Parts: sequence; C-alpha cells; structure tokens
Amino acid sequence: DTGVSQDPRHKITKRGQNVTFRCDPISEHNRLYWYRQTLGQGPEFLTYFQNEAQLEKSRLLSDRFSAERPKGSFSTLEIQRTEQGDSAMYLCASSVSGDRLEAFFGQGTRLTVV
Amino acid sequence: RKEVEQDPGPFNVPEGATVAFNCTYSNSASQSFFWYRQDCRKEPKLLMSVYSSGNEDGRFTAQLNRASQYISLLIRDSKLSDSATYLCVVNPLSGGYNKLIFGAGTRLAVHP
Repeated sequence: DTGVSQDPRHKITKRGQNVTFRCDPISEHNRLYWYRQTLGQGPEFLTYFQNEAQLEKSRLLSDRFSAERPKGSFSTLEIQRTEQGDSAMYLCASSVSGDRLEAFFGQGTRLTVV
Repeated sequence: RKEVEQDPGPFNVPEGATVAFNCTYSNSASQSFFWYRQDCRKEPKLLMSVYSSGNEDGRFTAQLNRASQYISLLIRDSKLSDSATYLCVVNPLSGGYNKLIFGAGTRLAVHP
C-alpha cells in the first residue's frame, strides 16, 4: 500500500496521559500536514512540514501538542496531559511541493479521552 | 468571518437530480482550490481540483469565481453512491506558506 499510513487507528486514553501518533506519508511527498476533525466539522489545520522543517503551527495548538518530522519522512504528533476536549480524529495528509498542492489523507487516528 | 464557508445542508435529492453546492472564501490572495469528498467516519478524499477556467470530470463540474470569491460544485445525474459530505478546500497562501483550509462541509443525501 503506497498511500498515507497512520498508526494507531484508534486510541483510548485516560485524562492526563500522554499519547503519540505516527504518520507515514506517501514516499515522494515532501509536505506533511496534521489536521484534527470533530463531528460535524471540517478538518482543522494543526501544523505543516516541508521536509523536516515545521513551517507553520496553528494558534489553536496549545503547548501540550508537539509534532516532529526528524528525517523528513514519517512524522509524530504528541499530546501531553490529554484532556477530554482533545477527543477527535487526527488526520495526516501529504503532498508534493509546487503549486498544485493536492493532498492525500491517511485513515486517521481516532482519539478518545476518558 | 470563517476563512471558508459552506452551506451545511443536508441536501436531500432524488436519484438523477442535478445538485449544486457553493462555497465562499475570505482571502482574496488564495491560490489553489479543491473539492474533497468525505464518507461517514472515513478520511477526506480528493474529488477534484478547481481551475480558473472551470473544469469537468464526468458528472462533476467545478467552477471558480475569483471576483466574488466563491467556488461551486455541480453534480449531474446524482447516484445513491454520491451521498457524502463535500468539503470545499482553499490554500490561502498566507505568510508565504502553503496549507489547506477546509470548510465545514455540505452533506448530500441521494434517495431512490
């Protein structure tokens, strides 16, 4: 499968715990995006990498959230001290560079904080 | 004002109907535009890019009006399988960086 891969698909955690999600983009894609989606809403932008550089981070992203893409390939998104409001689908997408920007999404990680 | 706004619907149409969705965006410097389709509890999937001259892909036609800052999607001869949420997506190119901003989506339900 050469699409975007996310792991795990589902995560249930207790409030206050830390969680980490992984995203493997399409291999030739150098742009990688993280989004969060709650029921009835469109995906909400969290952060964006071009190769290993994190170029933009949403103001909505609190200090409890951190993302890395150390070698410009896979990326991780960590949430520290999870809160119930963090419950959502976390989506990763990748695209090539250039003007066209068609992005392809992974199946997402559904986080439930109890 | 939201960066990308869509009518949430739902649009309930019979099979074979023609249905149109509109989307408005706030940043006049926006560069790229897309329609994505999202099925319930699935990831968004690219339906089509939207070009300045308008473009068509089978039963789907997308148009861009830069002057009025809106994008449209027309679906002809609706099928049951077209039932989904349609997401309007814009690259505002703010700060020189590329990112995709999604609308909240328009729900379409096609019935027999």
